[in-house]
Amino acid sequence: KNQVEQSPQSLIILEGKNCTLQCNYTVSPFSNLRWYKQDTGRGPVSLTIMTFSENTKSNGRYTATLDADTKQSSLHITASQLSDSASYICVVSVGAAGNKLTFGGGTRVLVKP
Amino acid sequence: NAGVTQTPKFRVLKTGQSMTLLCAQDMNHEYMYWYRQDPGMGLRLIHYSVGEGTTAKGEVPDGYNVSRLKKQNFLLGLESAAPSQTSVYFCASSTRQGAFGYTFGSGTRLTVV
Repeated sequence: KNQVEQSPQSLIILEGKNCTLQCNYTVSPFSNLRWYKQDTGRGPVSLTIMTFSENTKSNGRYTATLDADTKQSSLHITASQLSDSASYICVVSVGAAGNKLTFGGGTRVLVKP
Repeated sequence: NAGVTQTPKFRVLKTGQSMTLLCAQDMNHEYMYWYRQDPGMGLRLIHYSVGEGTTAKGEVPDGYNVSRLKKQNFLLGLESAAPSQTSVYFCASSTRQGAFGYTFGSGTRLTVV
């Protein structure tokens, strides 16, 4: 069964600090891995997309890594800001077209001043 | 650019009532999807459509029906609402190659009492 597990479930960090979120997946056949940011009361918004051959992708202060051999990904947030408070969702696409998505449960991040 | 628009944003139903959620996209995407999001769980696919006039079941289709009469619209219907259908519903659309252009709406919060 295709599964995506994220850790931790939630974390609190102080403004300006860095943090790293983890994602492990068991999905086949792998197409791509995405990280989404979901603000409270909003739909998920894409941060990064990585295919099998990519092992790192950045979007501003967000950097995602992918180890396709161990089926692990991480999302690193640098110099956190209050606006980073949100849920971060790891999503793995299955199949050649990449339309079938398996979602992780998300990590809720709270940035405190 | 409106992207993906969902209506209504909030709704309270009594058990047994029916309703239709509307999703509209202006990106000329072929594929459209309906998901539900429950606390602590990843988004789960209810139904999807790969083109005008087509629909298919996702992971949790029971109790829901859908229609795609126009390419830009995807309707989700609840014929007889149950408390277990209390959730946040997200519509999404994508190109055929779903890796890029996968866009979510802002959600509909439905409560069934």
